[in-house]
Amino acid sequence: DTAVSQTPKYLVTQMGNDKSIKCEQNLGHDTMYWYKQDSKKFLKIMFSYNNKELIINETVPNRFSPKSPDKAHLNLHINSLELGDSAVYFCASSQGWDWQYFGPGTRLTVL
Amino acid sequence: AQTVTQSQPEMSVQEAETVTLSCTYDTSESDYYLFWYKQPPSRQMILVIRQEAYKQQNATENRFSVNFQKAAKSFSLKISDSQLGDAAMYFCAYRGSGAGSYQLTFGKGTKLSVIP
Repeated sequence: DTAVSQTPKYLVTQMGNDKSIKCEQNLGHDTMYWYKQDSKKFLKIMFSYNNKELIINETVPNRFSPKSPDKAHLNLHINSLELGDSAVYFCASSQGWDWQYFGPGTRLTVL
Repeated sequence: AQTVTQSQPEMSVQEAETVTLSCTYDTSESDYYLFWYKQPPSRQMILVIRQEAYKQQNATENRFSVNFQKAAKSFSLKISDSQLGDAAMYFCAYRGSGAGSYQLTFGKGTKLSVIP
């Protein structure tokens, strides 16, 4: 029943590792997003896909690579994790320009 | 680039009282959308209310209402009859209406405490 789901909800890993966060929406929306919330609670857009096509790619290290296998899924892969990558990552979806539904967030901790 | 400013990092309100959270934004667009999101300790982002810039009437959702002043680029949130469950971080967000303006630009948030 969850509209936007993310897995895992918590991720603890060592520096230098590669990890992925998965996102799925069952709302039939055509646009999906990844946002990063830092330790000061500031939220910032990272990527956006519309109908599986990348439309927003903010200034993010190229260690971060989004992948959208279909309209309902947008995954985030992070290579060579660094301490500064520790944050909460939110997936969201919308139907075009309509308001965005957010997932529960994934808290990533890099040790 | 659009910016959103929330000048009150923290606020508190007595239960059952009314509180207003401030938000200002900067844009050169004439058509856009404004939102207030609530983030309780569970960290879930919950949409509280939204306003289309072309609508002059202020949006209202139950105990939540906005004061939208387009000329002043101000979008404040009023919470009436505050409840303990209203305690959360509140984020003001802007979205343009042009092509490629899908993403939200957020303010830094206001932490609201509700005093029993």
